[in-house]
Amino acid sequence: EAEVAQSPRYKITEKSQAVAFWCDPISGHATLYWYRQILGQGPELLVQFQDESVVDDSQLPKDRFSAERLKGVDSTLKIQPAELGDSAMYLCASSSWGAGNTIYFGEGSWLTVV
Amino acid sequence: GESVGLHLPTLSVQEGDNSIINCAYSNSASDYFIWYKQESGKGPQFIIDIRSNMDKRQGQRVTVLLNKTVKHLSLQIAATQPGDSAVYFCAENIDQAGTALIFGKGTTLSVSS
Repeated sequence: EAEVAQSPRYKITEKSQAVAFWCDPISGHATLYWYRQILGQGPELLVQFQDESVVDDSQLPKDRFSAERLKGVDSTLKIQPAELGDSAMYLCASSSWGAGNTIYFGEGSWLTVV
Repeated sequence: GESVGLHLPTLSVQEGDNSIINCAYSNSASDYFIWYKQESGKGPQFIIDIRSNMDKRQGQRVTVLLNKTVKHLSLQIAATQPGDSAVYFCAENIDQAGTALIFGKGTTLSVSS
């Protein structure tokens, strides 16, 4: 069964350092999402791509977060500089373009900022 | 703002019992709903979905019920097993291309044998 691949699975970084997460969606999925999940809460959308274009980044803290999907396939989410409050799981998800298509999630990247 | 919420943060059941996990939503424009299961340290796993033109949908051991009148969604798990122990999230969106899911806070299901 095809999966959404994410790396790294775990990352510990010092505050003020830069960190990056990578995601490879299910082949053929045009829509890619980055969500952040704080322990004990539901995932919250950070950014959504349709192919290489950003559809929604209204909740992305753009002063320190950036996301790109240059070729419309895999994607990178970067945080610079990292802050203590950024400690969370960063989830990538993908779906086919179109109404009501199932959104599949990767296993997530755990970030701990110390 | 409008969001999806769950009635109970935790639910404890015995193996073999039926489990019912509830969710209330507030966005009347939402017309597509999904239940996800999330095991510790893993990403959310799709369980079942339902569109607003339906009030019930069944899967393998799971049933989702939708009551649009009171904006209520429930997930029923038959013959609950220890492997069902996880956090369950309902999520909603507007059934059109380009919209993302909005998640509730989750219910932790604990199954004891």
